[in-house]
Amino acid sequence: NAGVTQTPKFRVLKTGQSMTLLCAQDMNHEYMYWYRQDPGMGLRLIHYSVGEGTTAKGEVPDGYNVSRLKKQNFLLGLESAAPSQTSVYFCASGGQREQYFGPGTRLTVT
Amino acid sequence: SQQGEEDPQALSIQEGENATMNCSYKTSINNLQWYRQNSGRGLVHLILIRSNEREKHSGRLRVTLDTSKKSSSLLITASRAADTASYFCATVSSGAGSYQLTFGKGTKLSVIP
Repeated sequence: NAGVTQTPKFRVLKTGQSMTLLCAQDMNHEYMYWYRQDPGMGLRLIHYSVGEGTTAKGEVPDGYNVSRLKKQNFLLGLESAAPSQTSVYFCASGGQREQYFGPGTRLTVT
Repeated sequence: SQQGEEDPQALSIQEGENATMNCSYKTSINNLQWYRQNSGRGLVHLILIRSNEREKHSGRLRVTLDTSKKSSSLLITASRAADTASYFCATVSSGAGSYQLTFGKGTKLSVIP
């Protein structure tokens, strides 16, 4: 099993550009999550999904959109990137007892 | 806002010593979890303690929970260089259907060989 995978691993964007981060899990989990991690801030929840076709806002949802068209995939979109979105993005799947994390995507917005 | 706050922010010890990290949180919880993050990697689940439990062990890890003080501690005994990582506590709030984890800012542990 691959667990949770994320693509891409690294990306540099210019302000105003758009991009989509892809997360895939092969553990048949209903729940999936997108976090961002900034120095000294820990992880903050952006959006999450409790099942195929459903999404909900987390702590810091502004500037991001998500979609869960298939149970195994959770997409995070940035429509118009801003320097404040420079961060490391982690996807996770699981539930109340444990979450499994992907390796992260390092995004820089210049 | 962040639910958990770890203390200390950074900790440096010699191999073989014990490492203790503390976590405080603000609201009622269903459970509290500890995760480890090696540099440049994703988080890995270490241990979970339920709100009705006071202590839990897993190998060299010992977790305590004091719900009256809204605090938890993680003890790593006989530390090894491979334990060098950042450690995060995360809480699941009480209430039906809550599946969100709220993370603290982490403790960076350095174990010197």
